[in-house]
Amino acid sequence: IAGITQAPTSQILAAGRRMTLRCTQDMRHNAMYWYRQDLGLGLRLIHYSNTAGTTGKGEVPDGYSVSRANTDDFPLTLASAVPSQTSVYFCASSEIGGAEAFFGQGTRLTVV
Amino acid sequence: GIQVEQSPPDLILQEGANSTLRCNFSDSVNNLQWFHQNPWGQLINLFYIPSGTKQNGRLSATTVATERYSLLYISSSQTTDSGVYFCAAQGGSEKLVFGKGTKLTVNP
Repeated sequence: IAGITQAPTSQILAAGRRMTLRCTQDMRHNAMYWYRQDLGLGLRLIHYSNTAGTTGKGEVPDGYSVSRANTDDFPLTLASAVPSQTSVYFCASSEIGGAEAFFGQGTRLTVV
Repeated sequence: GIQVEQSPPDLILQEGANSTLRCNFSDSVNNLQWFHQNPWGQLINLFYIPSGTKQNGRLSATTVATERYSLLYISSSQTTDSGVYFCAAQGGSEKLVFGKGTKLTVNP
């Protein structure tokens, strides 16, 4: 099925541990994004990539890193998780230049 | 950056009623999308509508780009329409920015 796949779907993580959230798309979109969703705050952009080999910071990048080694994959890494990173994380992709964005099913992360 | 405001924040309807959700944005846009987040948390694309009007079944949307707003119409609402509706806008080289959503509850 074409689209965006995120893994894992949910995770409970001890504070201080390292975690990588995976995101893969098969639509050959140039741009990919990571958002976090918190109650009352909507979705906020963490990091983005306009094309393979480039990344940029969004609204809330601190504590997160990304890489874009190829077109299809855009992993999000928490180097040392903290409880404030408890959230639902969404990956998205689109063509660049204002095209329609499509979202994965989300990863629910709880840091304890 | 671009600002996106949605209203109302909460809406409660009886099944069969019609409703209008509003999205205001602060700058010109080249992307305006409406999403429905269902009770399982999935974000479902409803409309990609940077300008003009589109219809899909009981749902329709209109974006008046010159006046910087978009409207989502839900007619003959059903309980399955419940959830949170998000508007997201993107202008120029900026990234897609979300409003805080409208939580819709449709009672039987």
